[in-house]
Amino acid sequence: GNSVTQMEGPVTLSEEAFLTINCTYTATGYPSLFWYVQYPGEGLQLLLKATKADDKGSNKGFEATYRKETTSFHLEKGSVQVSDSAVYFCALSEENFNKFYFGSGTKLNVKP
Amino acid sequence: SAVISQKPSRDICQRGTSLTIQCQVDSQVTMMFWYRQQPGQSLTLIATANQGSEATYESGFVIDKFPISRPNLTFSTLTVSNMSPEDSSIYLCSVFFDPYSYNEQFFGPGTRLTVL
Repeated sequence: GNSVTQMEGPVTLSEEAFLTINCTYTATGYPSLFWYVQYPGEGLQLLLKATKADDKGSNKGFEATYRKETTSFHLEKGSVQVSDSAVYFCALSEENFNKFYFGSGTKLNVKP
Repeated sequence: SAVISQKPSRDICQRGTSLTIQCQVDSQVTMMFWYRQQPGQSLTLIATANQGSEATYESGFVIDKFPISRPNLTFSTLTVSNMSPEDSSIYLCSVFFDPYSYNEQFFGPGTRLTVL
C-alpha cells in the first residue's frame, strides 16, 4: 500500500541555519509528491510538488527532489527564518490523484 | 486555485450533541474531501464527498457517525454526530480540480472542534 514516513520533530534551529526534513515513501505505481505547510492557526498550504522522478520542486527558498531510487523527497532550505516556523507535511498522491496520503508532520521551530 | 471557507471556524460542544460543518468553494470543483487532524497528528481522510450521491467513506469511518452531504459542485457539509471528547479535532475540507490540470489539493482553514 501507500504510505509516507517523515522524521519526527520538533526540529529547532537558529535563524539562517540549514534545514533538512526527511521524507520517504512507499507507493505502487508512479505517485506525485508534495510538501504542505501549516502555519500556526491556519490550514494547509501547498509548498512545493514534484510529479515524476528527478523532478525538483521549489518555492520560497525550499527545495525537494523526487528520488525514485531511494523513494525519498527530502525538504531542504539553505537559510531558515523565524517566519518558517510551522508544521511541514510530506504527502503523496496516487497516479489518478484521487487519494492523498500524508506523513505525520514535522514541527519546525526557528529561533532568532 | 480556489478560495475555500469553512463554518464554523471553531466550536465547543457538549458530549452527545451533533455539529454540522459547512465547506464552501468559490468555484466548481470535481472532488471534495473531508479530513480529520487530531491534536498533534497528521491528516486522516474521512470520506470523499460525491455530488448527488452517497459519500465514500474510508476504513474506520461510517455514515451514521459522519453523515456528509454534497448538493452541488461548490458546497458540502460534514456532521459529527453524537459527539464524544475523542472527536475533538480539526476538521478540514479539501478540494480537487481536474486532476490533469491541477494535481494538488486545496485546503480550507479548518474547523477546530472541542468536545467537553
